[in-house]
Amino acid sequence: EADIYQTPRYLVIGTGKKITLECSQTMGHDKMYWYQQDPGMELHLIHYSYGVNSTEKGDLSSESTVSRIRTEHFPLTLESARPSHTSQYLCASSSRNTPQETQYFGPGTRLLVL
Amino acid sequence: GENVEQHPSTLSVQEGDSAVIKCTYSDSASNYFPWYKQELGKRPQLIIDIRSNVGEKKDQRIAVTLNKTAKHFSLHITETQPEDSAVYFCAASLPGKLIFGQGTTLQVKP
Repeated sequence: EADIYQTPRYLVIGTGKKITLECSQTMGHDKMYWYQQDPGMELHLIHYSYGVNSTEKGDLSSESTVSRIRTEHFPLTLESARPSHTSQYLCASSSRNTPQETQYFGPGTRLLVL
Repeated sequence: GENVEQHPSTLSVQEGDSAVIKCTYSDSASNYFPWYKQELGKRPQLIIDIRSNVGEKKDQRIAVTLNKTAKHFSLHITETQPEDSAVYFCAASLPGKLIFGQGTTLQVKP
């Protein structure tokens, strides 16, 4: 079934650790996005990609990095986690082949940095 | 800069009443306006969308209206039910991305 997958779903980690949040999609989409969202609050775009080898910074200043080596995979890396990174991270994807480029979201990763 | 203002931030209605959520966008280049519903602990899901060449769109109990001149668009939910309780987000398109509103927490009281 076509979907967007995120792992891990929950992560508790200590300050200073390096972490990578995984996102994969089987939607056949070329565009992918990362959002940061505190529960029930506004979605903040932190990174997006038009396709392989394309990455762009979003509107929210972030200490994270992304890579896009394969179309279906868009991992997000925090080199040194801090308590201020505690939040939910949502991955999304869309296709430029549809007129509206509707974005579809993954289930999210809830991150707690102690 | 580019932004989307969404009001109200919280809305409480009795079951069976109507609910209206309003959004205003700043960039006249926006031409696509989706609405997402996010239930507690779940991912945002698209519930309805509208393009700039259409003034209104309906899907059963939900409808969206768009006023391009005023840069306003609204979500209308009729005959609300407890399962409509969620956070609703509007968004406006810009090249390569969506700009989201701040969200509206809708509570439908049985």
